[in-house]
Amino acid sequence: QQKVQQSPESLIVPEGGMASLNCTFSDRNSQYFWWYRQHSGEGPKALMSIFSNGDKKEGRFTAHLNKASLYVSLHIKDSQPSDSALYFCAVRKNNNNRIFFGDGTQLVVKP
Amino acid sequence: GGIITQTPKFLIGQEGQKLTLKCQQNFNHDTMYWYRQDSGKGLRLIYYSITENDLQKGDLSEGYDASREKKSSFSLTVTSAQKNEMAVFLCASSIGPDTQYFGPGTRLLVL
Repeated sequence: QQKVQQSPESLIVPEGGMASLNCTFSDRNSQYFWWYRQHSGEGPKALMSIFSNGDKKEGRFTAHLNKASLYVSLHIKDSQPSDSALYFCAVRKNNNNRIFFGDGTQLVVKP
Repeated sequence: GGIITQTPKFLIGQEGQKLTLKCQQNFNHDTMYWYRQDSGKGLRLIYYSITENDLQKGDLSEGYDASREKKSSFSLTVTSAQKNEMAVFLCASSIGPDTQYFGPGTRLLVL
């Protein structure tokens, strides 16, 4: 069964700083990857998806994927206090209905 | 856009009680999911359904039943609530195995 591991468990960055979140997965057949964000008291919300190797940038957020290294990351530039949340990495194989979630990274952005 | 509604928002039960949680979505998505989240930790899949009347077990199905009565609704039953149990149950929906959209959650406390 797919194992998705995120690091660090928690991260504190100053306002305006760069936050880097890491995710490794175990199944080499994995094709589709998401980052979800969950603010306290709410359900998770998809932040961005990445399906091809390389970088994908959306505003202050950049996802990086290296399928051969079984690695995906999320970088948040110019972090804001509103970015404080629990971030999940999610991974899916091409022919399977299951998305597997990591255990999350708790990000705190200090003003 | 659509919305996922979960009822009730809060549920307090007694040990041994059977408790039912409900989820409705108006996205017209075919696939629906139930997850359990403990203390702001990771998401554990309980059941999912890829179409009306379909049911697939997740990693944590023991102690739970589910029912997909129609395309827009998916119910979860805790068959025998455990004393001091405290968790958030999250419902989600998607088109096939694509991006999942989550509801706000039902918070369960068992006395």
